[in-house]
Amino acid sequence: GQQVQQSPASLVLQEGENAELQCNFSSTATQLQWFYQSPGGSLVSLLSNPSGTKHTGRLTSTTVTKERRSSLHISSSQTTDSGTYLCAPDTNAYKVIFGKGTHLHVLP
Amino acid sequence: ETAVFQTPNYHVTQVGNEVSFNCKQTLGHDTMYWYKQDSKKLLKIMFSYNNKQLIVNETVPRRFSPQSSDKAHLNLRIKSVEPEDSAVYLCASRGQGQDTQYFGPGTRLLVL
Repeated sequence: GQQVQQSPASLVLQEGENAELQCNFSSTATQLQWFYQSPGGSLVSLLSNPSGTKHTGRLTSTTVTKERRSSLHISSSQTTDSGTYLCAPDTNAYKVIFGKGTHLHVLP
Repeated sequence: ETAVFQTPNYHVTQVGNEVSFNCKQTLGHDTMYWYKQDSKKLLKIMFSYNNKQLIVNETVPRRFSPQSSDKAHLNLRIKSVEPEDSAVYLCASRGQGQDTQYFGPGTRLLVL
């Protein structure tokens, strides 16, 4: 089955620094989502990016489908960016596998 | 704005009891999911439903049974809970052909 590896496992930044999060997966994915989970536990979708580069606000995702990897770049980090970032490639719409996440802590 | 609703928020029970969790989405989506998030925060799919039909049933113990009365509702019943069932149970939905899953706030279960 699909295996998802995220790195780094945790990351500490000073406010204003950039973050680069990586996701590698073992099987071809028809879709790939990046999620943010707040310290309180709520989960929201940030980006859906099966291939190429996609931007939204301070976030940029680049997915190289053939190499089964995706990255999420956060520019000018803020303390409110602290939380867990989860990568989730689809093998089909009904079975989404999540990585263990990158725990980001942004210091003021 | 919340569009995937889960009840209860928290539930504390004892080993051997039965519990039921409810999930409702008001997005008109066809597909709904149940995930379990354990103490290590790993999120694992349990079930997927499409238009009330079970599509994915991962290797979960038989004491877990999903129930769907219509495509907007997907409930989860656990017969005879065990300590390892303590977790956060997250419900999600997705529209046909759409990329994004929308998650509910979760139900936190503690089994004593």
